[in-house]
Amino acid sequence: QSALTQPPSVSGSPGQSVTISCIDTSSDIPNYNRVSWYQQTPGTAPKLVIYEVTNRPSGVPDRFSGSKSGNTASLTISGLQTEDEADYYCSSYTSRSTVIFGGGTKVTVL
Amino acid sequence: EVQLVESGGGLARPGGSLRLSCAASGFAFSDYPMTWVRQAPGRGLEWVAIISISGSSIYYADSMKGRFTISRDNSKNTVFLQVNSLRVGDTAIYYCGKVSNWGSWYFDLWGRGTLVTVSS
Repeated sequence: QSALTQPPSVSGSPGQSVTISCIDTSSDIPNYNRVSWYQQTPGTAPKLVIYEVTNRPSGVPDRFSGSKSGNTASLTISGLQTEDEADYYCSSYTSRSTVIFGGGTKVTVL
Repeated sequence: EVQLVESGGGLARPGGSLRLSCAASGFAFSDYPMTWVRQAPGRGLEWVAIISISGSSIYYADSMKGRFTISRDNSKNTVFLQVNSLRVGDTAIYYCGKVSNWGSWYFDLWGRGTLVTVSS
């Protein structure tokens, strides 16, 4: 059973950088460049912030960046701003032609 | 305006059925795969299913096989999700999403969701 593990929460002060990890217990992240990240603020729909591991959609600030190493994908928010406070979910395509989401990480701006 | 608007949610009894709809506008609906994702109250995102442009390829999350059916009508720019034998655990906001392309499976446009509450 595929699973993506994220820390429940991370926090940082405005201007600082935070990194959210997404650890894959199977082999989907290493084998596919199909990792995406979504931002969700309370009461709203998720919003794509990173796709295909490192790419930012148009309109997403360049302080958001993605990477992967081995079985771990990461989302880094540099120069943290108050509007970045939200839940963040990683997602990956799997070898079974399904999609899995991580459990989500709450980012708090102190 | 580019948007997705879900409908069809509401209160349903355990064992019942619901058909959710998602109407697309502002983009060439028939050029994109579509997906459904749900979110139980206070919980994370859970992927449900994906359907190809023509509807000929469909995949479900393992936990959704058997009771969930995704379909689409390109003439009406609408994607559907039929949920049968409803359970209390199906209570969630159901979001539809536009899939970037069949190769990447990331979701670049989401609707606001429709709330399904299953309760006796």
